[in-house]
Amino acid sequence: DIQMTQSPASLSASLGETVSIECLASEDIYSNLAWYQQKPGKSPQLLIYYASSLQDGVPSRFSGSESGTQYSLEINSLQPEDEGDYFCQQSYKFPLTFGSGTKLEIK
Amino acid sequence: EVQLVESGGGLVQPGRSMKLSCAASGFTFSDYYMAWVRQAPKKGLEWVASISYEGSSTYYGDSVKGRFTISRDNAKSTLYLQMNSLRSEDTATYYCARPRFATGIPIFDYWGQGVMVTVSS
Repeated sequence: DIQMTQSPASLSASLGETVSIECLASEDIYSNLAWYQQKPGKSPQLLIYYASSLQDGVPSRFSGSESGTQYSLEINSLQPEDEGDYFCQQSYKFPLTFGSGTKLEIK
Repeated sequence: EVQLVESGGGLVQPGRSMKLSCAASGFTFSDYYMAWVRQAPKKGLEWVASISYEGSSTYYGDSVKGRFTISRDNAKSTLYLQMNSLRSEDTATYYCARPRFATGIPIFDYWGQGVMVTVSS
């Protein structure tokens, strides 16, 4: 199975700052990486797919990138509504696997 | 508008069975693979199972293989998850999820509201 190692587990940042969340795949997943945001009590929402493609309706301050098997989600100009949990997911092959999640707090 | 509405959750004793349903609307159900994803309380997301367009191919996570069965009824636009031999570690919110692409690539852009399953004596 492909392991997705996500970091950090939590982070706190101020309004307007830029943060980055990382996911390291245990093997090559050929850009088949998605990022989700989940707010308390809500279902996950797709932000990014194929490592860097922005889902319809998602603000452009969200972006994704990759370097080898390392994938990153960057959020620029943090807004209050960006507070929540973020998960990566590899969609390359079954069994599908998610990262352990990052809890983002806006100070 | 795409809608996924799960039902069938609740409290169940260890070792017993439960069947979840997900009623889909707003899209041609038979054009999409479908999946179940779960989330234990205060934990991360765990993929449970996926099923192909007509149900001929199914895929399961290691933790549920042999105990859970995913199925679908395209005439009713409904996805199912039959859960047998339930364990306390199956306690979670179960989400029905639809992929973004009709090609079956498992990137999920629509999720149901989730249904809670609690396994406890």
